[in-house]
Amino acid sequence: DSGVTQTPKHLITATGQRVTLRCSPRSGDLSVYWYQQSLDQGLQFLIQYYNGEERAKGNILERFSAQQFPDLHSELNLSSLELGDSALYFCASSASQGRLGTIYFGEGSWLTVV
Amino acid sequence: GENVEQHPSTLSVQEGDSAVIKCTYSDSASNYFPWYKQELGKRPQLIIDIRSNVGEKKDQRIAVTLNKTAKHFSLHITETQPEDSAVYFCAASINYGQNFVFGPGTRLSVLP
Repeated sequence: DSGVTQTPKHLITATGQRVTLRCSPRSGDLSVYWYQQSLDQGLQFLIQYYNGEERAKGNILERFSAQQFPDLHSELNLSSLELGDSALYFCASSASQGRLGTIYFGEGSWLTVV
Repeated sequence: GENVEQHPSTLSVQEGDSAVIKCTYSDSASNYFPWYKQELGKRPQLIIDIRSNVGEKKDQRIAVTLNKTAKHFSLHITETQPEDSAVYFCAASINYGQNFVFGPGTRLSVLP
């Protein structure tokens, strides 16, 4: 168990709909990362937050948005969903002190768009 | 921005043989290089990492080497076992955790 919690684990929704994925980082971690992994593909970096502020942005679509709340949990919002958005979405977190640099992944949220 | 390349994309070895996966990075400011192992349908898990002030690090059957001048680093797995079969990702980051960029992955198959 990495200590990073993601909900829901599985989600099936229709095209055009909107979903929210939730992530709770490890206790004490200030950084949260979101990655998208399509079937048999690599880890596509979407966005990173540090202590509530956006730190880095990757190939995140305009239909997607994210935020990190004061309690450090993060949400990834996916709207106007398309079939191609079906993927495994990972959240990861890293510490601001101690063993700097290591990021730990949650179990992921499987999104299926039908 | 940082770009990480990884080779080979697939690798098959006989059980007991060694496996080597190589990655190159583009940003000389990168200073932290972790390796992750991902089994099918599961989360990537950190298996070993190296910082830019170290040239080599070993943990039992796994070792990582770093060549800062050439901007490449490699994962070495000795005495491979079937349970080593997985996808391996290398990554590079700046400032020990900022802007993590992953390589495209290597699918390792260890044949019995």
